[in-house]
Parts: sequence; C-alpha cells; structure tokens
Amino acid sequence: KNEVEQSPQNLTAQEGEFITINCSYSVGISALHWLQQHPGGGIVSLFMLSSGKKKHGRLIATINIQEKHSSLHITASHPRDSAVYICAVNSNTGNQFYFGTGTSLTVIP
Amino acid sequence: DGGITQSPKYLFRKEGQNVTLSCEQNLNHDAMYWYRQDPGQGLRLIYYSQIVNDFQKGDIAEGYSVSREKKESFPLTVTSAQKNPTAFYLCASSIGKYNEQFFGPGTRLTVL
Repeated sequence: KNEVEQSPQNLTAQEGEFITINCSYSVGISALHWLQQHPGGGIVSLFMLSSGKKKHGRLIATINIQEKHSSLHITASHPRDSAVYICAVNSNTGNQFYFGTGTSLTVIP
Repeated sequence: DGGITQSPKYLFRKEGQNVTLSCEQNLNHDAMYWYRQDPGQGLRLIYYSQIVNDFQKGDIAEGYSVSREKKESFPLTVTSAQKNPTAFYLCASSIGKYNEQFFGPGTRLTVL
C-alpha cells in the first residue's frame, strides 16, 4: 500500500470547469506539498501546507490533518492547466519523503 | 536568475558504464535531493544532503553514489551496479529539509 494515494488518476475537463484532485496519506506528516509536472518533465512546487488553506491565483489547496486528507482545487480551468499534479508529504518521523503517483489532468478547449 | 540546473537533458550510455548526472543550484539552499521517476510510479528518493560533506541514503540508493563537496553542487553517479538505470532523474533543493523544494528540469537517462 502506498503511503500517499491520489484520486482520480486521470481527469479530463472542459475549459472553465471547477476541478478537484484529492490526496490521502497514511503517515504522520510535518508538511504536504502539491507539485505540477508539465509534459517536458519539469516540476514546479505549487503549495506547501501544514494546516488550513492556501490560495494562489486560480489554485486553492486545503488540508485536514485529522482526516489525513488534502485537496487541490482549480477554478475556471484552462488548457494551460493540463499537467500531472503530484501530492507529496514529509514524514514527521525519520527522514522519509513520500510521493503520490500523480493525477493527469487534461483540460479541453 | 536563481535556479537549479541539471545537465544534460538527455543522456545515453552503454550497459556497464558509470555515468554522472550534474545538479547545480544558486539559491543558497542547504538541502539537495535526487529522485528517480519511472512511468506509473511516484518519485522515489535516491539520496539527499542537508549540508556540505554530508548525505543520507533514500529509499533506493543501491547502485548510486553522490558527493557534496560544495553547497552549490550535488552530482549523482549511476554505477554499473544499478540493475535498471533507465529512468528520468530529478534533482531538487530546499532551504532546509522540510521546506518547499525547487526542482531542476530533469535528466532522462537511457542505458542501451
């Protein structure tokens, strides 16, 4: 069983739709990260969360520490949002980093 | 411009040869990391370094080696002992171990 599970694995949306990507984890964490990977392979860090909610432009990330769950929301989706979104956590015990397998998002014009 | 660079972007090697992947950052970050990405799998940590002249094994360190002689540089050597080296390799850095990570563009290694 993976320590970090994401859903859905693949997601296709029409431009303008509201999108939600979910992440559940099974370990105690010090921080959770949302990353974006474009087709060329480069990865960009979108958010780092340890509690609550963060917003950047059309992107919103929330985390519920008690439920061990985080969501990434994209409002008014656009084709340029098409990418793989990866959830990752820093374990608060030892020196462990855990990554989800990613959610592949395609936004159709 | 501050950032993290990896070279080369694509690398081809014959089986049995060692190969070194470069990672350089000018962000003045103390921590640096090497990850491996395979299709359908999440990133897996190979090695990380929290400070110059110190590094720790990650989950899949076998067949790899690293050095951290300078704060800016964290090269990864893929040795002939690595049984399945063909993969996409990503380097990252952060201010401290639990801070936001900044990723390089990656190196795609193909062993023929």
